[in-house]
Amino acid sequence: DSGVTQTPKHLITATGQRVTLRCSPRSGDLSVYWYQQSLDQGLQFLIQYYNGEERAKGNILERFSAQQFPDLHSELNLSSLELGDSALYFCASSVGSLEETQYFGPGTRLLVL
Amino acid sequence: AQTVTQSQPEMSVQEAETVTLSCTYDTSESDYYLFWYKQPPSRQMILVIRQEAYKQQNATENRFSVNFQKAAKSFSLKISDSQLGDAAMYFCAYLGNQFYFGTGTSLTVIP
Repeated sequence: DSGVTQTPKHLITATGQRVTLRCSPRSGDLSVYWYQQSLDQGLQFLIQYYNGEERAKGNILERFSAQQFPDLHSELNLSSLELGDSALYFCASSVGSLEETQYFGPGTRLLVL
Repeated sequence: AQTVTQSQPEMSVQEAETVTLSCTYDTSESDYYLFWYKQPPSRQMILVIRQEAYKQQNATENRFSVNFQKAAKSFSLKISDSQLGDAAMYFCAYLGNQFYFGTGTSLTVIP
């Protein structure tokens, strides 16, 4: 158990809908990262937040947005969902920077029908 | 653009033997980090080992070690005394200005 929690574990929704994925980092970690793992794109870094501020951005679509709240939990919002958004979404946390050891949550499996 | 290539989609090793997983990357950056992550059937990502590019000494973590060849842009992972629990997908990752992952190598450990 990494100490990072993600909810929900599974999510099934329809195209065009909007969903919110939630992540709670390990105690003491200030950074939260979001990743997408899909069959055709592999594992991709989406975005990093550090202590409430966006720190680094990867291949995150404009339909996706994230935020980190004062209690350091983070939410990833996916809107106007498409079939290709079906993937495993990981959240990870670390004390600070991207190069530090990141602890991954168990992931949220999203299926868009 | 930086890319990470894992040329072995699948590998197998006999229990207690040694196996080496390959990874090459392309970059024009001089400062970066390299990682190997393990993803077992549970799908959770676990950091195996990391290497700072400025360090010449190869990183080691118990049975796991890397062969980092900066000039050749190569970063292979050696697993010694393979155990059944090592069976997983292994991802090589590069972190410079961006974070990139390879496509993974599926490792089977044969009892």
